[in-house]
Amino acid sequence: QLQLQESGPGLVKPSETLSLTCSVSADAISGSDSYWGWLRQPPGKGLEWIGSIHYTGRTFYSPSLKSRVTLSVDTSQNQFSLRLTSVTAADTAVYYCARRWNYYDDSGNPHWYFDLWGRGTLVTVSS
Amino acid sequence: QSVLTQPPSASGTPGQRVTISCSGGSSNLGSNNVNWYQQLPGTAPKLLIYSNDQRPSGVPDRFSGSESGTSASLAISGLQSEDEADYYCAAWDDSLNGWIFGGGTKLTVL
Repeated sequence: QLQLQESGPGLVKPSETLSLTCSVSADAISGSDSYWGWLRQPPGKGLEWIGSIHYTGRTFYSPSLKSRVTLSVDTSQNQFSLRLTSVTAADTAVYYCARRWNYYDDSGNPHWYFDLWGRGTLVTVSS
Repeated sequence: QSVLTQPPSASGTPGQRVTISCSGGSSNLGSNNVNWYQQLPGTAPKLLIYSNDQRPSGVPDRFSGSESGTSASLAISGLQSEDEADYYCAAWDDSLNGWIFGGGTKLTVL
């Protein structure tokens, strides 16, 4: 069973850069047409999509975070990463990495969904 | 404020059937499939329903999804105590060119 695991500092100072890495357990990042995503959930609040990346490097970013976010992928290490600059307390959240699976049905219609998630890692922004 | 609108809470007694609604617009639910996630306390979200009405392997058939126009619904029949969780709808938005989520519905089993 494919597994995802987030790693990175649990505490980041305001105005600094948050960096997280997601390790994928099998040789899966470049082995499929999946996108790999980052999502977050502030304490007691709902889910927010941050961005997604394909193993080719193609990216999609949330419009509200686009100016501060960079996603990258390292296929040799089966990892993909998140960088979020100029963080504030509002960026305090549990950060999840997830696989966005996709397939095309018999009519050629795309079906996309996040089917596998990491356990999440809490990142607190505080001085 | 979420682009997809869900009721903040729902409740039912064991054995009952409950439904959770998700309302959107033409650029998301009106043109793309909806997915539903279940988040048990202290855990990561889990895919519950994909492509409006499809259940992943291992999800009980007590859970079902439907979609009509710019709205979607999640139904849970034969409610059980272990169904107590937060439920989120999600869809791709063509205008934002990104994923959007509902604000989540906290289901309480009385």
